[in-house]
Amino acid sequence: GENVEQHPSTLSVQEGDSAVIKCTYSDSASNYFPWYKQELGKRPQLIIDIRSNVGEKKDQRIAVTLNKTAKHFSLHITETQPEDSAVYFCAANGNKLVFGAGTILRVKS
Amino acid sequence: ETGVTQTPRHLVMGMTNKKSLKCEQHLGHNAMYWYKQSAKKPLELMFVYNFKEQTENNSVPSRFSPECPNSSHLFLHLHTLQPEDSALYLCASSLSLAGGWRRTGGELFFGEGSRLTVL
Repeated sequence: GENVEQHPSTLSVQEGDSAVIKCTYSDSASNYFPWYKQELGKRPQLIIDIRSNVGEKKDQRIAVTLNKTAKHFSLHITETQPEDSAVYFCAANGNKLVFGAGTILRVKS
Repeated sequence: ETGVTQTPRHLVMGMTNKKSLKCEQHLGHNAMYWYKQSAKKPLELMFVYNFKEQTENNSVPSRFSPECPNSSHLFLHLHTLQPEDSALYLCASSLSLAGGWRRTGGELFFGEGSRLTVL
């Protein structure tokens, strides 16, 4: 079955800096890779996703890149703001949707 | 408000109690899920229902018993739980089944969760 590894587990950045979170997956047939953001005490919410037929997708300050050959994908957040502080989960859609362990992002102002 | 409502939001129970968690969605979705979220662990998929038929039981102990009477409602019946079952239980729904042999992908809409404490 699918296995998703996510790094780092915690990430602290200064406001305005960029943040990068990386995930690897094991099932080469996985074709959909969403990212969810969970603020403290709130529900996880989809922030961006990418399908296997594209290599990069952007939405304002966030972007996701996918390398199918290497089986890894990354979330990039530019010009970080305090409200970006949250737990971020990657996931890969194999025969079931499998989540990474999460990254706690702290943006220091 | 994402349209997925979970009750109760908090539950404290003893190991001999029987309780139920309820999830309701009015988004017209066909698939519903139970996830367990523990500290420092990934979101663990427990059960999946598609068109109210169970399609996934992720080796969950029998002290957790799901029920899906229709595509809009999902229950998780709890009995003789252990302290290590204390966690946040999240319900989610999606328009079509995430994964599966067709490997379809789509957004999961999560509820706020039910925080369970087992004493």
